[in-house]
Amino acid sequence: DAKTTQPNSMESNEEEPVHLPCNHSTISGTDYIHWYRQLPSQGPEYVIHGLTSNVNNRMASLAIAEDRKSSTLILHRATLRDAAVYYCILSVSDSNYQLIWGAGTKLIIKP
Amino acid sequence: DAGITQSPRHKVTETGTPVTLRCHQTENHRYMYWYRQDPGHGLRLIHYSYGVKDTDKGEVSDGYSVSRSKTEDFLLTLESATSSQTSVYFCAISGGYSRGQETQYFGPGTRLLVL
Repeated sequence: DAKTTQPNSMESNEEEPVHLPCNHSTISGTDYIHWYRQLPSQGPEYVIHGLTSNVNNRMASLAIAEDRKSSTLILHRATLRDAAVYYCILSVSDSNYQLIWGAGTKLIIKP
Repeated sequence: DAGITQSPRHKVTETGTPVTLRCHQTENHRYMYWYRQDPGHGLRLIHYSYGVKDTDKGEVSDGYSVSRSKTEDFLLTLESATSSQTSVYFCAISGGYSRGQETQYFGPGTRLLVL
């Protein structure tokens, strides 16, 4: 069973910031939080990951709640090319760090 | 882009026939994975390998077998294909050096239709 909960879909306007939420209330202290995205008809691609502290890279930012039971992926300025399904995934230490995937959030970008 | 190829990219087969999918990498990564993805769902792990001839089962391994005789190749075999195995199959690789926080790189996928 997926260990994360995400909204099925979200809409955002082009060139505006997007905040994609994820709940992971059963997370343990050694589980990493990963985000991947999947563009139509392609394999998933890595976006960002973190453990406790907020993380930034060229693609996005990851904000992790202090109790680690939720996190938010932030796209600072969405473009049409960011339209994809975004997956919030836990790397679970007691399952040999397998990635446990949920159904993801379909992000729709309106021009 | 990580050097991962999958073959074939598309396959149509009949129930009861054996099918083998191939994943080939040029990155010399230790870990290789096979996932399946069904409409409206995330990925589910079938099998993975942590080295040559070292493999383990994932969440949905029934009906599938794997082999890894070389670092660069990971084969997924459906011994007797069933309609429930119609899916998109993705191969992924990772270095395996930082367990828990490493990135997985995915291939383009194989669309399998079992009639």
